Amino acid sequence: AQKVTQAQTEISVVEKEDVTLDCVYETRDTTYYLFWYKQPPSGELVFLIRRNSFDEQNEISGRYSWNFQKSTSSFNFTITASQVVDSAVYFCALSDNAGNMLTFGGGTRLMVKP
Amino acid sequence: KAGVTQTPRYLIKTRGQQVTLSCSPISGHRSVSWYQQTPGQGLQFLFEYFSETQRNKGNFPGRFSGRQFSNSRSEMNVSTLELGDSALYLCASSFTTLNSPLHFGNGTRLTVT
Repeated sequence: AQKVTQAQTEISVVEKEDVTLDCVYETRDTTYYLFWYKQPPSGELVFLIRRNSFDEQNEISGRYSWNFQKSTSSFNFTITASQVVDSAVYFCALSDNAGNMLTFGGGTRLMVKP
Repeated sequence: KAGVTQTPRYLIKTRGQQVTLSCSPISGHRSVSWYQQTPGQGLQFLFEYFSETQRNKGNFPGRFSGRQFSNSRSEMNVSTLELGDSALYLCASSFTTLNSPLHFGNGTRLTVT
């Protein structure tokens, strides 16, 4: 069975601080996909990134960066110079090779204070 | 391009009633998935449809059902509602689930009293 753990349920930072959201996963599949989604108060889940299990390159997109380490089964997400608009709940998710269903972590609520 | 549209946004029902939720996927997307989000259980997969066929089903009782129409629009139905069915129901679509990220709608918030 697949499992995703986001140990941090809530994080509070002051604007411009860097923050890292942790994600640890469990799967027996050799091919799988990892995702991060953002859920603002409006409720919609916004896709941020997808990585497959064969691509361990770190990725940077503006203020966002992701660190995928297969050896520790982790896929961590860092926001650099956080802004108030980053306040949301962030979910890490895992799918099998077919991508037919996502297993979500419990989410991390990020609060960025001005 | 219009996003995933879910209707209605809010619903209040009483125990024992049934409810139907609707989802219109992004144009061209043929796969539609449904997820239930509750404070206690988090986000859980309900089922996924592709070309009018249910391809996967999560671990939910038979009171939860769905269908997909030829235009890819999908509905989910919950019969004999229970208090525990109160949740945010999220619909997601993708061109095909293989290697494609899911695009979610704003959800339907169901309250069962």
